[in-house]
Amino acid sequence: QQQVKQSPQSLIVQKGGISIINCAYENTAFDYFPWYQQFPGKGPALLIAIRPDVSEKKEGRFTISFNKSAKQFSLHIMDSQPGDSATYFCAVKHGSSNTGKLIFGQGTTLQVKP
Amino acid sequence: GAGVSQSPSNKVTEKGKDVELRCDPISGHTALYWYRQSLGQGLEFLIYFQGNSAPDKSGLPSDRFSAERTGGSVSTLTIQRTQQEDSAVYLCASSLRRREGEKLFFGSGTQLSVL
Repeated sequence: QQQVKQSPQSLIVQKGGISIINCAYENTAFDYFPWYQQFPGKGPALLIAIRPDVSEKKEGRFTISFNKSAKQFSLHIMDSQPGDSATYFCAVKHGSSNTGKLIFGQGTTLQVKP
Repeated sequence: GAGVSQSPSNKVTEKGKDVELRCDPISGHTALYWYRQSLGQGLEFLIYFQGNSAPDKSGLPSDRFSAERTGGSVSTLTIQRTQQEDSAVYLCASSLRRREGEKLFFGSGTQLSVL
């Protein structure tokens, strides 16, 4: 059973546009919601993360919007650049987890066209 | 080292052979994770180490998979009698395991191909 559902699977955006990737979860016990960015041949790297006590977090061109009641969170990339072309993964962590284990979504491949 | 190091970067093996994948975490990181990434799939959790013990092995897909960690540092993931469905990228990650340090640092992975 997929604990976090990510969409879309792939996304093509023009340079300067806004890229939006969505994730939905069911378990209200999740307490940490990061986004990871992965370039080909590399491991994923933390991009930005949010906890459920805030509804939005912004770091540069990257923003997480968090809707606790809808059990959804999304990544917005403003002014998308060709260098943003990568695979993006959302993830969740269970609040009672004593392992720090992250459960990842299926990933979204983003292509930003020049 | 500066980051998580995994070796080999690529491994081609024949069905039925055993393979060992190595992970050198960031120095001082007590938590170590193994994940598997199949083509077009997300990251599938395999096992978690805290120090040398593995309190969460829930993601290991079968008893052909095992892992150990020694000296609170290097970890080895062993796959016995490899099958074609084991072909994937095996990723290792480490973290400090403090609340503010839940960030996972991933290595570049080992691409395993089982022929």
